[in-house]
Amino acid sequence: ILNVEQSPQSLHVQEGDSTNFTCSFPSSNFYALHWYRWETAKSPEALFVMTLNGDEKKKGRISATLNTKEGYSYLYIKGSQPEDSATYLCASLGAGGGADGLTFGKGTHLIIQP
Amino acid sequence: DAGITQSPRHKVTETGTPVTLRCHQTENHRYMYWYRQDPGHGLRLIHYSYGVKDTDKGEVSDGYSVSRSKTEDFLLTLESATSSQTSVYFCAITGQGRIAEAFFGQGTRLTVV
Repeated sequence: ILNVEQSPQSLHVQEGDSTNFTCSFPSSNFYALHWYRWETAKSPEALFVMTLNGDEKKKGRISATLNTKEGYSYLYIKGSQPEDSATYLCASLGAGGGADGLTFGKGTHLIIQP
Repeated sequence: DAGITQSPRHKVTETGTPVTLRCHQTENHRYMYWYRQDPGHGLRLIHYSYGVKDTDKGEVSDGYSVSRSKTEDFLLTLESATSSQTSVYFCAITGQGRIAEAFFGQGTRLTVV
């Protein structure tokens, strides 16, 4: 079982502003780091799966970076829109891959204010 | 959409009764997970499976058991339901490979009265 921490727990951002939040995970025993977007009354959906130190992935206005040596990942949203309001989850897999279980942080609840 | 379904979607049961939730997948994925979602706790791992008959405990496994007799089905059983097990339960699946993402079922809302 891995200890995955996310901060902040919640975040209010004005429409049009950019924002970012953090996921920290054990740097030892690292295998992969996942980011998910979770809208109310829906199921979580994958944004990124990252494995390499220094990796950066981008999907539209959302991007993520990964530092496996120090055990953190940042998720960035550029020019926030109301539809970005959701809970953003990160999850870590240990060196055993799926055999270690996919452990989630508690999430960052993002609210975009018009 | 990934082929993963949970049943039932909603259930109300009485304290002390056994309850079984089913997760069914058509993706032939190796790994399957059961999570519970509670306010302030996010998704907490209950049990997971890395193959037929291969299962392991997660963070909050007390009071739950699982079985996986076929690749496509992963069952979560509450042997004697308690009010603390009122929650929303999510099943997830991942394929093999380092960049395999997880796909989630629609969730099961369980209320223990």
